[in-house]
Amino acid sequence: DQQVKQNSPSLSVQEGRISILNCDYTNSMFDYFLWYKKYPAEGPTFLISISSIKDKNEDGRFTVFLNKSAKHLSLHIVPSQPGDSAVYFCAASGGSNYKLTFGKGTLLTVNP
Amino acid sequence: NAGVTQTPKFRVLKTGQSMTLLCAQDMNHEYMYWYRQDPGMGLRLIHYSVGEGTTAKGEVPDGYNVSRLKKQNFLLGLESAAPSQTSVYFCASSRTGGTGELFFGEGSRLTVL
Repeated sequence: DQQVKQNSPSLSVQEGRISILNCDYTNSMFDYFLWYKKYPAEGPTFLISISSIKDKNEDGRFTVFLNKSAKHLSLHIVPSQPGDSAVYFCAASGGSNYKLTFGKGTLLTVNP
Repeated sequence: NAGVTQTPKFRVLKTGQSMTLLCAQDMNHEYMYWYRQDPGMGLRLIHYSVGEGTTAKGEVPDGYNVSRLKKQNFLLGLESAAPSQTSVYFCASSRTGGTGELFFGEGSRLTVL
């Protein structure tokens, strides 16, 4: 059973436009959510996170929104840049769990 | 500023052979993890450790063993490699467990023929 779902395997946007990546989760115990970015042949790197006590967290061009009632979070990138082209993983943790559970990832392509 | 270092970066094995992947971190992190990444499957946790001398199973532990004899090192062993273990393996460490940022190594690509 997949507890963290990223239902869009890929997304393509034009440079300068907004990119919206979505993530759904099923485990009600999750209370901390993170987004990681991964370039080919590199390890994932941390991008932004949000605690369940918040519904929005912003860091420069990146904003994460959390809708706890819908068990849904999204990552907004504005404006999108070609260097943002990468695989984005949504991850979640909660309770006494020391582990992160990852989604399958979404490949974002930003076209010049 | 090495961060998390994985060795080897690439390895080809024959079915039934054994090998060990080494992960070393220089950030004095308590928590360390081994993930595997497969096409269409995302990152799946194999084993993890919450401190020196401790290990625990993740989502897909079968066929793997781990050891954390020193705080800075986390070893992943394959006793009898199988083609299903062909994957890219990532080690990660963090200071504060599930709510902490994970720092990943560059990955180790393993092919089992």
